[in-house]
Amino acid sequence: SQTIHQWPATLVQPVGSPLSLECTVEGTSNPNLYWYRQAAGRGLQLLFYSVGIGQISSEVPQNLSASRPQDRQFILSSKKLLLSDSGFYLCAWSDGTGLYEQYFGPGTRLTVT
Amino acid sequence: GNSVTQMEGPVTLSEEAFLTINCTYTATGYPSLFWYVQYPGEGLQLLLKATKADDKGSNKGFEATYRKETTSFHLEKGSVQVSDSAVYFCALSWAGNTGKLIFGQGTTLQVKP
Repeated sequence: SQTIHQWPATLVQPVGSPLSLECTVEGTSNPNLYWYRQAAGRGLQLLFYSVGIGQISSEVPQNLSASRPQDRQFILSSKKLLLSDSGFYLCAWSDGTGLYEQYFGPGTRLTVT
Repeated sequence: GNSVTQMEGPVTLSEEAFLTINCTYTATGYPSLFWYVQYPGEGLQLLLKATKADDKGSNKGFEATYRKETTSFHLEKGSVQVSDSAVYFCALSWAGNTGKLIFGQGTTLQVKP
């Protein structure tokens, strides 16, 4: 069966510091991968998606970047965090065929202070 | 463009009450429709799905019917429990969209004993 991992689970970082969040998927190959952000009390905002290694599409221009160095690894980064980067970050995968249903990881709670 | 609109929350019900959360969509062609549930502090879980008109998705006592004539996918449950308290998201996807999901804004359900 497939599983998706995210770490860290929680993170408190000062403004201006760098960020690296990691997401890995097990039990499938060549998945589509997605990063979402959920601000407190709000819906989900798609940040990036990837259909293959090294292929990244950005949905919203901002302070963040994403990379996919391996087939089942997706990394969200920032060089300098802003207060507005605080939120709940969710990684998801889909098999890119059929119904396009996505499966979500447990999330990372980021607080920028 | 394609979009999803959900009824605003929070929805507060007593245990064993009937639940309806409205969801309507705007889309060209024939999208697939989904309901996701998010329990406090967790990622999203796929609750149910439907891929074509008149399909009924069901899971854990929840159900929703894909109504193309009214472009709706309302979530229902006959008797809610305290454990159903969560945020519910309606979403759609469509072929050729690299699997991206369009989410509604989410509806918070609170069930009181």
